Amino acid sequence: GAVVSQHPSWVICKSGTSVKIECRSLDFQATTMFWYRQFPKQSLMLMATSNEGSKATYEQGVEKDKFLINHASLTLSTLTVTSAHPEDSSFYICSAEEGQGGNEQFFGPGTRLTVL
Amino acid sequence: KQEVTQIPAALSVPEGENLVLNCSFTDSAIYNLQWFRQDPGKGLTSLLLIQSSQREQTSGRLNASLDKSSGRSTLYIAASQPGDSATYLCAVDSNYQLIWGAGTKLIIKP
Repeated sequence: GAVVSQHPSWVICKSGTSVKIECRSLDFQATTMFWYRQFPKQSLMLMATSNEGSKATYEQGVEKDKFLINHASLTLSTLTVTSAHPEDSSFYICSAEEGQGGNEQFFGPGTRLTVL
Repeated sequence: KQEVTQIPAALSVPEGENLVLNCSFTDSAIYNLQWFRQDPGKGLTSLLLIQSSQREQTSGRLNASLDKSSGRSTLYIAASQPGDSATYLCAVDSNYQLIWGAGTKLIIKP
């Protein structure tokens, strides 16, 4: 199957700094990418859906100015956590879909963010 | 290296039947195992999360079991409905990464 990578796999940062997480589709073009967040012992929550070349669609309760999503190419989407705080510590996972609507999604291994 | 396998790859059953989806993993050193549902063109819906210390979790018509020693988890769906049609994915949290199965595409026929 197709491969989706994330970088970094884990990151520790100080409160107030910004962290960028990359999601790449390695062998296919991803028109749509999804970003998820999972807090310890809780379920995965969809944060936003991004389509290449357009603005991301954020789920209710997710601050778009805090979680900046850029999907500038068909193989790369980035999530930037701006002015990170300890409550942003979480597991961030992306998935990528080839084409739009109804196609199989492939999931990345996740990025663990710890904010001190 | 952790590997996750889901069987069957696809399943089609009449409405009302009880069914079982299987997920197996090669390394029993896991943090947790999760079952998800994926509808075409949509994001994931988290169904059940089983911690490594637990043996099962239930939510409505869904019951998920976990046997770490044998590297297996099952998702039991009772009294299936057409609305249950979707792709079901399991993912193992192993070594600080999520390792995904390829999914089981489920079709419930009215």
